[in-house]
Amino acid sequence: DAGITQSPRHKVTETGTPVTLRCHQTENHRYMYWYRQDPGHGLRLIHYSYGVKDTDKGEVSDGYSVSRSKTEDFLLTLESATSSQTSVYFCATSFGVYNEQFFGPGTRLTVL
Amino acid sequence: GDSVTQMEGPVTLSEEAFLTINCTYTATGYPSLFWYVQYPGEGLQLLLKATKADDKGSNKGFEATYRKETTSFHLEKGSVQVSDSAVYFCALTPTNFGNEKLTFGTGTRLTIIP
Repeated sequence: DAGITQSPRHKVTETGTPVTLRCHQTENHRYMYWYRQDPGHGLRLIHYSYGVKDTDKGEVSDGYSVSRSKTEDFLLTLESATSSQTSVYFCATSFGVYNEQFFGPGTRLTVL
Repeated sequence: GDSVTQMEGPVTLSEEAFLTINCTYTATGYPSLFWYVQYPGEGLQLLLKATKADDKGSNKGFEATYRKETTSFHLEKGSVQVSDSAVYFCALTPTNFGNEKLTFGTGTRLTIIP
């Protein structure tokens, strides 16, 4: 299995505060993805990266930004958290776009 | 664009029952197909995959066959156990130029009763 860690694993924050979630991989995969998972919505892609400093938007990118300064790290930032961003966030990586994705354990974020 | 349609859940079965979770897809090209499993409180794990037509993926007693003629990739297991209780996701690789994302189904929650 790909070594993918996410930090923090749980976070509670208040509306309007900035939040950064980190994804770290040890597999040297080119592609990295951020998803959110909510009841009734399945998995929704927020942003993804196809290389260092190369990122693109997913289907629910509003209110989120990402950065990838190293192959192994992909950061997701909520500039000003809102209650609608309460969710479970998953990071995933893949060797290539036509390969399977490997998922991290998830971060449960609660915005009060 | 590409899409995946999964069997609506939740599905509840007794232990040792036969399981089928339906998955059909729409794609312009020839995707690879995956089944992922998500146990409570965990991330998704790849359960099995198939990369071309008529391939059969298998793992942990689960099987799925890539049927190009019916655009399907149904998940089956002959005798389920309580430990198989989880959410199952069907997914496919992109087939459109410029699309770099997997397409996931909405997931099917499976509960096995002892």
